[in-house]
Amino acid sequence: AQTVTQSQPEMSVQEAETVTLSCTYDTSESDYYLFWYKQPPSRQMILVIRQEAYKQQNATENRFSVNFQKAAKSFSLKISDSQLGDAAMYFCAYRSAPDTQGGSEKLVFGKGTKLTVNP
Amino acid sequence: DAGVTQSPTHLIKTRGQQVTLRCSPKSGHDTVSWYQQALGQGPQFIFQYYEEEERQRGNFPDRFSGHQFPNYSSELNVNALLLGDSALYLCASSLGPGNTEAFFGQGTRLTVV
Repeated sequence: AQTVTQSQPEMSVQEAETVTLSCTYDTSESDYYLFWYKQPPSRQMILVIRQEAYKQQNATENRFSVNFQKAAKSFSLKISDSQLGDAAMYFCAYRSAPDTQGGSEKLVFGKGTKLTVNP
Repeated sequence: DAGVTQSPTHLIKTRGQQVTLRCSPKSGHDTVSWYQQALGQGPQFIFQYYEEEERQRGNFPDRFSGHQFPNYSSELNVNALLLGDSALYLCASSLGPGNTEAFFGQGTRLTVV
């Protein structure tokens, strides 16, 4: 079974600074997707960024980028120019690629990292 | 374009009771997944519905059951509630079970007393 580990329960960053959130995962599959979701106090999970394992290039979405190290099974999220609105819980998640033999279409989440942005 | 909507937003139930939570998927989506998020934890997959059938199921007891209607909306039913069932229940929808882009609702906060 796949597992996702987020070793930082809490992180803080100064507004306009850069912060990196860590995530490691365990899987025996070769093709899969990794995600970072943001959960603000409103509770709704919002997709921040997605990485397909077969793509070597790291995904970027505006101020958000990932460092995907497939061999190390590491998937960190970098937030540049942090804004007050970035404060939230951040969850790393894994799912099997579609049509993977024996794969699952469910998302497997880590326990989350609470990000505080200080003005 | 309405996103995923869940009802109710909050509810309180007594141990041993039964509860039904509802989810309307994002317009055009036909697949609904349910997750349980205990306090301080990440969401855990309960089950997924597609074409009105349970397609996949996580490690949850039979007290947790669901249904999907022809209009793709879904219900999550929990029988014989336990204190440990207190959690945020999240619904996610997608266009097809293989689609990796899932949209979440705001959740239903269930408290069992």
